[in-house]
Amino acid sequence: AQTVTQSQPEMSVQEAETVTLSCTYDTSESDYYLFWYKQPPSRQMILVIRQEAYKQQNATENRFSVNFQKAAKSFSLKISDSQLGDAAMYFCYNNNDMRFGAGTRLTVKP
Amino acid sequence: GAVVSQHPSRVICKSGTSVKIECRSLDFQATTMFWYRQFPKQSLMLMATSNEGSKATYEQGVEKDKFLINHASLTLSTLTVTSAHPEDSSFYICSADDGIYGYTFGSGTRLTVV
Repeated sequence: AQTVTQSQPEMSVQEAETVTLSCTYDTSESDYYLFWYKQPPSRQMILVIRQEAYKQQNATENRFSVNFQKAAKSFSLKISDSQLGDAAMYFCYNNNDMRFGAGTRLTVKP
Repeated sequence: GAVVSQHPSRVICKSGTSVKIECRSLDFQATTMFWYRQFPKQSLMLMATSNEGSKATYEQGVEKDKFLINHASLTLSTLTVTSAHPEDSSFYICSADDGIYGYTFGSGTRLTVV
């Protein structure tokens, strides 16, 4: 059963603009971690950001931030000041069952 | 940061032969490693969880006799695709929990069975 859902197969953003990728998940656990991974054409999985479920504060890593809504089981990724190098597949990941979402292909337009 | 080395990066083998893929944690110990499979334009699908010193745990639908996993040390897990067939052609990726940054992934292995 799909426990991590990414409803946006593709997204596009203009360079320097902001884009938000959505992710919802399902779990009965109270303590867990959520991750966003980036997969460029090289297919290397690169950790973008992670969120610990017991922390209310949203994680931030430079231009990347999340909007974590635990009650709604929502974990969106916001990319600010988008750069051409941000173009890739982005996967949401839940460590409860080691499942990935289907992925969102992000295109950055110059 | 933590590094997971995966070899080979690409392999082509004949149908009916076996192929071994290695996954090594270079700067940390990993009691548990994970093996994923990714078909073109699809997400990563968990195949099995590799446990050091014990049997691997396979996901439903994954044939344990075809995909042999050995985790003999705290830094090495191997996946052997036995009697490979063209439908086994795929991208295989391993990962390990480094305990600090999260789950670090190997660079993947592209297997082509001809």
